[in-house]
Amino acid sequence: KQEVTQIPAALSVPEGENLVLNCSFTDSAIYNLQWFRQDPGKGLTSLLLIQSSQREQTSGRLNASLDKSSGRSTLYIAASQPGDSATYLCAVYGGSQGNLIFGKGTKLSVKP
Amino acid sequence: DTAVSQTPKYLVTQMGNDKSIKCEQNLGHDTMYWYKQDSKKFLKIMFSYNNKELIINETVPNRFSPKSPDKAHLNLHINSLELGDSAVYFCASSQERGLKPWNTQYFGPGTRLTVL
Repeated sequence: KQEVTQIPAALSVPEGENLVLNCSFTDSAIYNLQWFRQDPGKGLTSLLLIQSSQREQTSGRLNASLDKSSGRSTLYIAASQPGDSATYLCAVYGGSQGNLIFGKGTKLSVKP
Repeated sequence: DTAVSQTPKYLVTQMGNDKSIKCEQNLGHDTMYWYKQDSKKFLKIMFSYNNKELIINETVPNRFSPKSPDKAHLNLHINSLELGDSAVYFCASSQERGLKPWNTQYFGPGTRLTVL
């Protein structure tokens, strides 16, 4: 059964820092991996999607990498801003269950 | 323009009642989903519909019945509500190749259900 783990559960950094959020999954037979952002009381916003054949995707200050064989993904946020404060969720599609499996998220707080 | 919309945003009701949550997407996608996010913020899929047909039905009580009148709508009806049903319910959609979600899933704003 696919399990997705995100470390750390919470992270607080000063504005301007570069940071890395980690995601690991137990079944490497995935089709893709998505990173989402969830603001308090709001829905999810998709940030990046990496297909299983890709190694990384970039969007603005965000860079997501995927190492399928080791079951790991990282989300790198450059020059963090207070507006980046949110919960970041990692989700994988595939494995034995054939649907999107989410981690519990990393709650990021960027202090001005 | 709202891509995936849900109504209502908040729903407070008594145990035993029957309620529905509506979802609509204007993205032209052919696959729609319902997710449940519990009090610990853990998000888990409940149902998936592709072109109005049920594709995924996770271990969800049969009190929950999704209904897809057309490709753009997937409504969630819940019978005999229980305290444990209190959660945030998210609708999502994606454009799939075959039955695999190769593309991004777009989420609605969520419906916070509170059962008293």
